[in-house]
Amino acid sequence: DSGVTQTPKHLITATGQRVTLRCSPRSGDLSVYWYQQSLDQGLQFLIQYYNGEERAKGNILERFSAQQFPDLHSELNLSSLELGDSALYFCASSARQSSGNTIYFGEGSWLTVV
Amino acid sequence: DQQVKQNSPSLSVQEGRISILNCDYTNSMFDYFLWYKKYPAEGPTFLISISSIKDKNEDGRFTVFLNKSAKHLSLHIVPSQPGDSAVYFCAANGRRRTSYDKVIFGPGTSLSVIP
Repeated sequence: DSGVTQTPKHLITATGQRVTLRCSPRSGDLSVYWYQQSLDQGLQFLIQYYNGEERAKGNILERFSAQQFPDLHSELNLSSLELGDSALYFCASSARQSSGNTIYFGEGSWLTVV
Repeated sequence: DQQVKQNSPSLSVQEGRISILNCDYTNSMFDYFLWYKKYPAEGPTFLISISSIKDKNEDGRFTVFLNKSAKHLSLHIVPSQPGDSAVYFCAANGRRRTSYDKVIFGPGTSLSVIP
C-alpha cells in the first residue's frame, strides 16, 4: 500500500459527460501528479501540483483540468468525454517538488467511456 | 519526441538468470532516474533510483547502472524470479526550477521470467 488513495476505482460513463477523479496523497506529501495510461501505452504525464499551485504541465487536454485543495487532496476533472479518453488514470505524490524525489502511485481509476 | 526510451517492449528470461532492462534518455537536464515495476491493473511501485552523481546503486537483487556520457541506464535483476514478471518503467527527473523538473516515464518493458 503506497498510501496514495484514488477514487473511484472504476467508472463507466457516456460520451459528452463530465467526471471527477479524486486523489488523496500520502500523509505529509505536498506534490501531486496525474498520469494517464491508455491501453498498451506508457504513462503519460498530465499535470503536477505542489502545495496547491500548478507546478508542471504535460500532455493534458484543454477538456481536462485539475486542482489541489488546501488539504492537499487533488481532483482531475474530465469533460466532454470521448471514447479515446478511456484509460487508467493514476495519481502519485511525493514529499517535495519532484526534483530528486521518489513519487508513489495510487492504484488508479479505471475510466471507460461508452 | 520521446525523451525516455525503452527500446525493448518485451524480454523473456529463465528463472535464476540475470534480467537486464535498458533505458536511454535524450536530455542532459535529467539528473535523477527511477525504475518502477507495474503489475496489470495496479499502480506502479517504486523499485530503485539513482542520482546522476553516481554510476551504480544496488538494493538486494536489483542494481541500476548509469552511464551519463552515453545517456543510458540499465536495471539488472539477479537472480530473476517468476514474481519479477511485470512491466518495468524507466523514469527520469530533471533539474529543479527548469522546465524538466517533472518525472517523465519511458514506454515500459514487459519482463517474463520463465520457471
